[in-house]
Amino acid sequence: NAGVMQNPRHLVRRRGQEARLRCSPVKGHSHVYWYRQLPEEGLKFMVYLQKENIIDESGMPKERFSAEFPKEGPSILRIQQVVRGDSAAYFCASASNGYTQYFGPGTRLTVL
Amino acid sequence: TQLLEQSPQFLSIQEGENLTVYCNSSSVFSSLQWYRQEPGEGPVLLVTVVTGGEVKKLKRLTFQFGDARKDSSLHITAAQPGDTGLYLCAGPMEYGNKLVFGAGTILRVKS
Repeated sequence: NAGVMQNPRHLVRRRGQEARLRCSPVKGHSHVYWYRQLPEEGLKFMVYLQKENIIDESGMPKERFSAEFPKEGPSILRIQQVVRGDSAAYFCASASNGYTQYFGPGTRLTVL
Repeated sequence: TQLLEQSPQFLSIQEGENLTVYCNSSSVFSSLQWYRQEPGEGPVLLVTVVTGGEVKKLKRLTFQFGDARKDSSLHITAAQPGDTGLYLCAGPMEYGNKLVFGAGTILRVKS
C-alpha cells in the first residue's frame, strides 16, 4: 500500500515566484490536512480539506496561500509571490475518517 | 486554545539507558498521538491512546495516557542508537480533528 506522497521533495523559488506543492493521499482517504514546520518551531495546522471542499482554513495565512483538493488528482497547496519567511517544510497528512492522520515525507521549500 | 507542552526539549543519553518524555496540557483531549520524525522525513505515527489511564506497549516503548486525558508519557527502556529522533505528541482539536503538536523532544542515543 502506498503511503502519502508529496512532490516535489525539495523546491527552490526566488522571492515573488509561485510555489505549488502536491499531495497524493493514501488510496481511499478522503481527508487531507496541510501542516507547516518552520525552522526551530513545531508543526502548525494550516488547512483541512475533503474532496472538493475546504473544511477549515483557520491556520492558513489570509493572503497568498490557497489550497484545493479536486475530485480527481492530488491536493495542491499554492503559495503566490513567495517571501523568505515562507521557507519551511510543508507536510500533508491524510485520514480515512479524520481520526488517525498519516503524514507524507514533506516538501522543503527554500525561498532565495 | 489547546496547547501541548513537551519535556524535556532535548535528551542525550547512552545506549542502554531508560528515559521518559512527557506531554502535558491543561485541556482534555479525546486522544493523543505520538509520532517520531527523522531529519528530512515526515512524522511517523507510533501510537494513539484514547482511554484515560490507558497503557500501550510497542516493543521497548511504553505509552501512557493520563486518567484525566490531559497528559501522556513515552517511556523507552534500554534505548538504542536507532531510537534517535524527534518525538512529537499531538492531539485533535475541535471538529475535524486537526492536530495540535507539542514542540517535540529531540532524543540522541549515543553508542
